[in-house]
Amino acid sequence: QKEVEQNSGPLSVPEGAIASLNCTYSDRGSQSFFWYRQYSGKSPELIMFIYSNGDKEDGRFTAQLNKASQYVSLLIRDSQPSDSATYLCAVKATGFQKLVFGTGTRLLVSP
Amino acid sequence: DAGVIQSPRHEVTEMGQEVTLRCKPISGHDYLFWYRQTMMRGLELLIYFNNNVPIDDSGMPEDRFSAKMPNASFSTLKIQPSEPRDSAVYFCASSLGRDRRATEAFFGQGTRLTVV
Repeated sequence: QKEVEQNSGPLSVPEGAIASLNCTYSDRGSQSFFWYRQYSGKSPELIMFIYSNGDKEDGRFTAQLNKASQYVSLLIRDSQPSDSATYLCAVKATGFQKLVFGTGTRLLVSP
Repeated sequence: DAGVIQSPRHEVTEMGQEVTLRCKPISGHDYLFWYRQTMMRGLELLIYFNNNVPIDDSGMPEDRFSAKMPNASFSTLKIQPSEPRDSAVYFCASSLGRDRRATEAFFGQGTRLTVV
């Protein structure tokens, strides 16, 4: 079992819709959870992080964490074509500084 | 700050040759990470350093790979000898470990390595 699992997609949504990206992790000792966005040919850039159960909102983005279910998600409201990218889920375990990444979900937002 | 700087951006080399990738982390960051990204395996952590000391090199695929961090502003990843299966994008990232929960890693632009 991979440490961090994501559906590779592509996830296709129309412009203006809500995109829902999901991630599961295997290590119950995981402490912090990160969502990175990576455009084709570019480096990953942080969108947001979460470490408490529940929701965290930042503009059009909402991260949701459920540690009991070992599940973290990212919602993108009012999706725009510029949101088309690969979204990487990353997990940090307690006591460690390294981030373990999932393989990413490719999101396509059509005009 | 200019961010994490990697060089070269692209490298094409022949099988068996030595390849050296370079990284300058963000000034003041005390953690440095080397990742490799491929379509099949995604973003894999190879090794990371804290205050120039290697902490975890369990992701280094084999003895052909080595990494050094002689000072706080410079790190190298060396592959000797290189093989076609080493072809990938190699990213260097750095972070500030002060907040032990919210460790944001800032990535460099990556080095696209092609071994023919």
